[in-house]
Amino acid sequence: RKEVEQDPGPFNVPEGATVAFNCTYSNSASQSFFWYRQDCRKEPKLLMSVYSSGNEDGRFTAQLNRASQYISLLIRDSKLSDSATYLCVVNALTGGGNKLTFGTGTQLKVEL
Amino acid sequence: DAMVIQNPRYQVTQFGKPVTLSCSQTLNHNVMYWYQQKSSQAPKLLFHYYDKDFNNEADTPDNFQSRRPNTSFCFLDIRSPGLGDAAMYLCATLAGGRYNEQFFGPGTRLTVL
Repeated sequence: RKEVEQDPGPFNVPEGATVAFNCTYSNSASQSFFWYRQDCRKEPKLLMSVYSSGNEDGRFTAQLNRASQYISLLIRDSKLSDSATYLCVVNALTGGGNKLTFGTGTQLKVEL
Repeated sequence: DAMVIQNPRYQVTQFGKPVTLSCSQTLNHNVMYWYQQKSSQAPKLLFHYYDKDFNNEADTPDNFQSRRPNTSFCFLDIRSPGLGDAAMYLCATLAGGRYNEQFFGPGTRLTVL
């Protein structure tokens, strides 16, 4: 089993739709969680951190379920500019410091 | 202002010819990472430094080495690049702690001929 698993997609949705991505992780000692966005041939950029109580940033809502070891990202009112790959990232504190493990990403395509 | 800088952005080398990729940061972060990312795959951690402490991933080939002469700079040396080493190489930094964001550089795209 992969340490961090995501559905690779692609998710093709019309503009204005609501879309949700899930991510599961295997390391129960994981401490913090993030969603990154990566555009084609660019570096990943932080979209949002994921807190235990869930958090919202504009059209984006992230949820964490520690008992089931999954993280979700909800995007409301999708825009064309939301088209990208969304990477689930899990952080575990090891003897060597923070180790972040990436999922393979979920590709989103928002269409007219 | 750029916070994590990678040079060069594009690197072409020949099969077996050593190559060095560089990364510098203006954030004064104590942790620096090197990732390899191939097309349609997740970034794969090669190694990281926590201050001067080097942490190698178990599956990172010996062909890949790293140096961190000071807080600001970190280098990735590929001693004998093979065709399978063609990828995007991403450098990232982190301040340490549980919730701190990891900052990525723009990456160096390596082509091996």
